[in-house]
Amino acid sequence: GQNIDQPTEMTATEGAIVQINCTYQTSGFNGLFWYQQHAGEAPTFLSYNVLDGLEEKGRFSSFLSRSKGYSYLLLKELQMKDSASYLCAVRNSNYQLIWGAGTKLIIKP
Amino acid sequence: DAMVIQNPRYQVTQFGKPVTLSCSQTLNHNVMYWYQQKSSQAPKLLFHYYDKDFNNEADTPDNFQSRRPNTSFCFLDIRSPGLGDAAMYLCATSRVVAGGGEETQYFGPGTRLLVL
Repeated sequence: GQNIDQPTEMTATEGAIVQINCTYQTSGFNGLFWYQQHAGEAPTFLSYNVLDGLEEKGRFSSFLSRSKGYSYLLLKELQMKDSASYLCAVRNSNYQLIWGAGTKLIIKP
Repeated sequence: DAMVIQNPRYQVTQFGKPVTLSCSQTLNHNVMYWYQQKSSQAPKLLFHYYDKDFNNEADTPDNFQSRRPNTSFCFLDIRSPGLGDAAMYLCATSRVVAGGGEETQYFGPGTRLLVL
């Protein structure tokens, strides 16, 4: 079967750094996506990795290791507005997008 | 500027009463998707259109139908909503480029369906 695993919930402090991990097992690989989803709203695109390594975009960075089936999303200088769910999704060899259930990130002052 | 638009944002229907949700896009993307998402769960793909080609997921109930009359619009019809169909319904679009590669999916704001 195909599955995406990520922690259900994480808590961090405003101004700190948090790393959200994602491991995947899919039939083939054609890229990994991170989306942010605030409660009651649609997912918004954050990052895309298709090659190994780190992609940096402002306060957010995403890392990929294809050999390990592993990615993480790194959020720096956390702000209260970063409280949201973070969804990891992998596109497989059939170009289907396999979704994780999301990690709910709670930011405390 | 809204790129993927869903109407209405909230929809209340009665058990068994047909309901239609709509999605439109200004991105001229050739692929449109409908997802169902329940609280604290991953989005579940119901079906997608690649241009006019309809692709139904194997586990999508027959109760769910879709129409794409043109590139810009796509509709989700729920013929006889049950209590278990209460969820957020998300429309997404993407573009398949030359060579078969697909770009990122962009989501509309979603329609939250309540079944009474």
